Amino acid sequence: NAGVTQTPKFQVLKTGQSMTLQCAQDMNHNSMYWYRQDPGMGLRLIYYSASEGTTDKGEVPNGYNVSRLNKREFSLRLESAAPSQTSVYFCASSNSGGQRPQYFGPGTRLLVL
Amino acid sequence: GDSVTQMEGPVTLSEEAFLTINCTYTATGYPSLFWYVQYPGEGLQLLLKATKADDKGSNKGFEATYRKETTSFHLEKGSVQVSDSAVYFCALSEGYGGSQGNLIFGKGTKLSVKP
Repeated sequence: NAGVTQTPKFQVLKTGQSMTLQCAQDMNHNSMYWYRQDPGMGLRLIYYSASEGTTDKGEVPNGYNVSRLNKREFSLRLESAAPSQTSVYFCASSNSGGQRPQYFGPGTRLLVL
Repeated sequence: GDSVTQMEGPVTLSEEAFLTINCTYTATGYPSLFWYVQYPGEGLQLLLKATKADDKGSNKGFEATYRKETTSFHLEKGSVQVSDSAVYFCALSEGYGGSQGNLIFGKGTKLSVKP
């Protein structure tokens, strides 16, 4: 039982390049989330997927797209990376309902030059 | 909108000292409250939670009580260890309505424990 896994662990991009961050969970959770973590800002929600086939914007969605490929996988795409997207990205999953805790992956550290 | 405010860090303590990290929240409805911990280079781990007023969450010697009257969820530990050095995040999630249980995080409090 691996929990939530993310790939890659670290990536360096040049401004304007694109990439996809991958996330998978093996806990049969309905909901999945993408956050970014910046110093002094806590975690901010980028996009979430309440269930397979649905996605919704969070607090900071600009510059990102997501795909809920199936119940296990939720990817985050940067179409044209910008230095402001330098951050640590975390994927999380949970069962439906606000009382359920979220379980986080180990994170992807992204540097955009 | 809903928000979470944590005491600013960093907090530096000696081993076996008493720890309090303050957390207050603003929310409509009846949120669930969480404390998460992030060790260096790792993702966030759930430390404890409370889902209704007067509930006490506890884990690994840490405790927090959901106080609706003061809208607070302060984290406490009676005797910290060097291994408790980490960043601690307070978070809230609305109940069964609202935004499907999305978490709203505080900015985090970095704790360093010296031997």
